[in-house]
Amino acid sequence: DIQMTQSPSSLSASVGDRVTITCRASQRVDKYVNWYQQKPGKAPKLLISAASSVHTGVPSRFTGSGSGTDFTLTISSLQPEDSATYYCQQSYNTPPYTFGQGTKLEIK
Amino acid sequence: EVQLEESGGGLAQPGGSLRLSCEVSGFTFSSYGMVWVRQAPGKGLEWVSYISGSSTTKFYTDSVKGRFTISRDNGKNSLYLQMNSLRDEDTAIYYCARVELSTIFDYWGQGTLVTVSS
Repeated sequence: DIQMTQSPSSLSASVGDRVTITCRASQRVDKYVNWYQQKPGKAPKLLISAASSVHTGVPSRFTGSGSGTDFTLTISSLQPEDSATYYCQQSYNTPPYTFGQGTKLEIK
Repeated sequence: EVQLEESGGGLAQPGGSLRLSCEVSGFTFSSYGMVWVRQAPGKGLEWVSYISGSSTTKFYTDSVKGRFTISRDNGKNSLYLQMNSLRDEDTAIYYCARVELSTIFDYWGQGTLVTVSS
């Protein structure tokens, strides 16, 4: 199975900061990585699909990049409502469609 | 508006069974694959099972193969997960999600909690 490793596991940043979360796949997955945001007690929400395609309604401060094994999620100017846990997920080839372990983002 | 609502969670004993349901609205259900994803208390997300729009293709994660069965009724806009031989480690919130382009989980329900305990 393909393993997805996120870093950091947690981070704290201030409003207005630029934040980057990385995700590394254990083997090449082309561009097939999606990013989700989950707030406490809520269901996950899709942010980015196919590495860089922003989902409908997602603020433009969220961007994704990468291909092969290394991917990043960037928040260009952190807002208070961005406090959440972020997960990457690979969707390459056949299942299992594995998730990263999550990155918990807190606002200072 | 796309909506998904899970039901059927609750307390089950080890070795017992539960059947989860996911009722959807706001889109043509038969045109989309669907998945179940679970989240153990305080843990990350784990993909559990996938079913294609016509039910011809089904996949399961290894830990539930032979115990869980995914199905759907396109006439009722409903997705199901029959869970048998439940184990303590199946305790989790179970989410259903719509699948776009075969592999993107674009809309999720609010989840239903399954607790396996004696």
